[in-house]
This record gives sequence, C-alpha cells and structure tokens, in this order.
Amino acid sequence: EPEVTQTPSHQVTQMGQEVILRCVPISNHLYFYWYRQILGQKVEFLVSFYNNEISEKSEIFDDQFSVERPDGSNFTLKIRSTKLEDSAMYFCASRAGGGSTDTQYFGPGTRLTVL
Amino acid sequence: GDSVTQMEGPVTLSEEAFLTINCTYTATGYPSLFWYVQYPGEGLQLLLKATKADDKGSNKGFEATYRKETTSFHLEKGSVQVSDSAVYFCALSDLVRDDKIIFGKGTRLHILP
Repeated sequence: EPEVTQTPSHQVTQMGQEVILRCVPISNHLYFYWYRQILGQKVEFLVSFYNNEISEKSEIFDDQFSVERPDGSNFTLKIRSTKLEDSAMYFCASRAGGGSTDTQYFGPGTRLTVL
Repeated sequence: GDSVTQMEGPVTLSEEAFLTINCTYTATGYPSLFWYVQYPGEGLQLLLKATKADDKGSNKGFEATYRKETTSFHLEKGSVQVSDSAVYFCALSDLVRDDKIIFGKGTRLHILP
C-alpha cells in the first residue's frame, strides 16, 4: 500500500540553524500539508500546498517557515533560523483531491529537537 | 473557531474490556469527523470517519456515530486487544471552507493482557 515517507526520523539542531524536513507524498496525490505536535499538545495545522503554491497557512507559519516542492516527488519544510519552541514532531500529509471526502494520509513524522 | 475536545488519558483497560473514548466538537459549519490512531513509532492512520449527521464510521471493530444534537463522535469497541494499544485522535475537517484537519489532544490507550 502506498504511504507517505519522511526523513529524517529525528533531527537535532542548534538554535539559529536552518533545518529542512523532507517528505515524499503518495505519488498521485495533489494536495500536501505540514502539521506539528509539540510534546503533550495538540497536532496543529501549519500549511497546505496545491499546484505549486501555498493554499492556506496558520499563524504559526511565519516568515521563518517555507515549503517547496523541488521536484515531482519531494515536499520540504524549511525553518530558516530555529528557535527552542520549534522543537516538535512534524507530520507531512497528502491527499489525492477530487472530492470533498478525500482522506489525508500522514507520514510517520520527524522529531525536531532544537538545543 | 472550530475545536475538538477528547477525554484525557491515559486509559488503561484489560483485554476484552469495552472501550469508550469521548469526543465532542465545536464547529460553525458541517464538518466531517475522524478518528486517527498512532501506533508506537508510526504515523497517524485514519481509523474511521463520518461525513454527515447520524453516519456511523466503523473499522477493525471500532465504531463512532456522528451525533449532531450532542456534537459528539465517541469512539467505541466492544472487546479490546493488546494490539489496540496506541494514541487515538479525534479530529474534524470542513472541506467546504478549507481542508485543514483540527485535532484533539489525543488519548493514550494501554491494554493489559
């Protein structure tokens, strides 16, 4: 069964450094998402992406964040200058599109630790 | 804004016990409702969903009914197994307005053999 994959599974970085989290969505999917979950808190929506542009973003997704689909298979989340409060589990998701009841399929997550 | 509230965990049960995890929601529109499950070390998997009032979602012995009058979507299973140990997330999405998913905080379920 096709699945969303994410790399790395765990990323440790120093405050102020740039990080890129990578996702490979399911191959025929058209809609892509990033969510995050700070330890002990809710899973929160960050951004949605369709047709090579951002569809919607939350107030969390400020100028330090960016997303890109650099080729036909990868979908990346970049944090330019990490802060301690960026430490969280980041989930990528994708959706096929074409119907109001389409399901979002999630990857296993990348745990980001900012020191 | 829209929100989801689910019972705090952890919930610990013996194998073959009856399970209920409560979930209520607040929404201005007519959202679809979901239960996602996260097994240890894995991603979020869709367990079941319901797209309109009185719909019942079911999968792997789990059930939940979309109750508009009580704004609830409680998850139930008649006889749990050790393999059901996981974190369960109640969620909603209003695809008419946008397609982001709004999650509850999650309930950790631990089944004892």
